[in-house]
Amino acid sequence: DVKVTQSSRYLVKRTGEKVFLECVQDMDHENMFWYRQDPGLGLRLIYFSYDVKMKEKGDIPEGYSVSREKKERFSLILESASTNQTSMYLCASEGAYEQYFGPGTRLTVT
Amino acid sequence: TQLLEQSPQFLSIQEGENLTVYCNSSSVFSSLQWYRQEPGEGPVLLVTVVTGGEVKKLKRLTFQFGDARKDSSLHITAAQPGDTGLYLCAGASWETSYDKVIFGPGTSLSVIP
Repeated sequence: DVKVTQSSRYLVKRTGEKVFLECVQDMDHENMFWYRQDPGLGLRLIYFSYDVKMKEKGDIPEGYSVSREKKERFSLILESASTNQTSMYLCASEGAYEQYFGPGTRLTVT
Repeated sequence: TQLLEQSPQFLSIQEGENLTVYCNSSSVFSSLQWYRQEPGEGPVLLVTVVTGGEVKKLKRLTFQFGDARKDSSLHITAAQPGDTGLYLCAGASWETSYDKVIFGPGTSLSVIP
């Protein structure tokens, strides 16, 4: 079974802090994704990566950056956290268009 | 812009009832997936359909891909409280250079004991 893990289930940060969210997959997938999910807005794609050191902007990249130094690891970075970045963050790994999600990180920015 | 629509948005039914939820688009998809997401968790893949007209069954769940590969339905027979969750459809389309998967907004299902 594919396993996708995320570094934290719950995180509370202060406005202006730099936040790192890490995601690791064990299926040797090339494609990895970061989404945020908010009530009424569905899943929104922040960034995705099709290969090591490769990244593409999704639909809402503003305020975020990513890093993919190794195939199995895809990190999301909030350069300066703001309250409007309070959300559920989901990482996914993809093989043959099937996405496998981690358990999510519930981030609260105060 | 590709768009996946799902209906209904919310559904509340009694245990034992049958239900169908729908996923529609104007785009043609090379494959379509259904996911279920429980509160506070990530979505979990239920099924992938790839052929127009294809029907797949997973216990009490029946998935159908439209003949034109633009729509899909999920039918649940004799719903149980454990079926409660957000049902998401997602499609991979040939219409982008990266063949990117897009997600619908979901149908939130509540099954009352």
